[in-house]
Amino acid sequence: DQQVKQNSPSLSVQEGRISILNCDYTNSMFDYFLWYKKYPAEGPTFLISISSIKDKNEDGRFTVFLNKSAKHLSLHIVPSQPGDSAVYFCAASVRGAQKLVFGQGTRLTINP
Amino acid sequence: GAVVSQHPSWVICKSGTSVKIECRSLDFQATTMFWYRQFPKQSLMLMATSNEGSKATYEQGVEKDKFLINHASLTLSTLTVTSAHPEDSSFYICSALRATGEQYFGPGTRLTVT
Repeated sequence: DQQVKQNSPSLSVQEGRISILNCDYTNSMFDYFLWYKKYPAEGPTFLISISSIKDKNEDGRFTVFLNKSAKHLSLHIVPSQPGDSAVYFCAASVRGAQKLVFGQGTRLTINP
Repeated sequence: GAVVSQHPSWVICKSGTSVKIECRSLDFQATTMFWYRQFPKQSLMLMATSNEGSKATYEQGVEKDKFLINHASLTLSTLTVTSAHPEDSSFYICSALRATGEQYFGPGTRLTVT
């Protein structure tokens, strides 16, 4: 049972344009969501998070949007840069439970 | 950001032998660490939660006698894969939980069992 789903295994975006990565979840108990960036043979690096009491959180080029009614979140990267090319994982947790449930990841490729 | 290290980064072992992987939080104390496993092009799957000074909590389907976890100090957790088989070949990643609630991940360990 995949509680966190990233339905796009890959995404290709031109440098300078906006990258939008999507994530859906099924467990309505999740109240904290995170995005991680991962390079091959490395551990995930935390990017940005959002609590369920918010619908938007912004940090520099990265913005996460949360639509609780649709159980959907998205990560916007603008402008996209070649260094953004990596696999992006969304993760969800029930705060207090500490455990993270990860999506399958989306490989983002930024083309020059 | 916080630093979590793993050792070794890559290990090859023969079938039937045991392999120990270390996870260290270098600049903060972590009462809780997590062990994940990632198969190629798949998600990170939580294997177990490691709590300092107590027994680890394993996720459903993870054999606790095969994947031994020890969290003997606030900065070190170890995962020992016992009697390794080729199907145990995978990328193992640990994370350390900071008091702020954020998890910081190690760089991972690639295990190949021949």
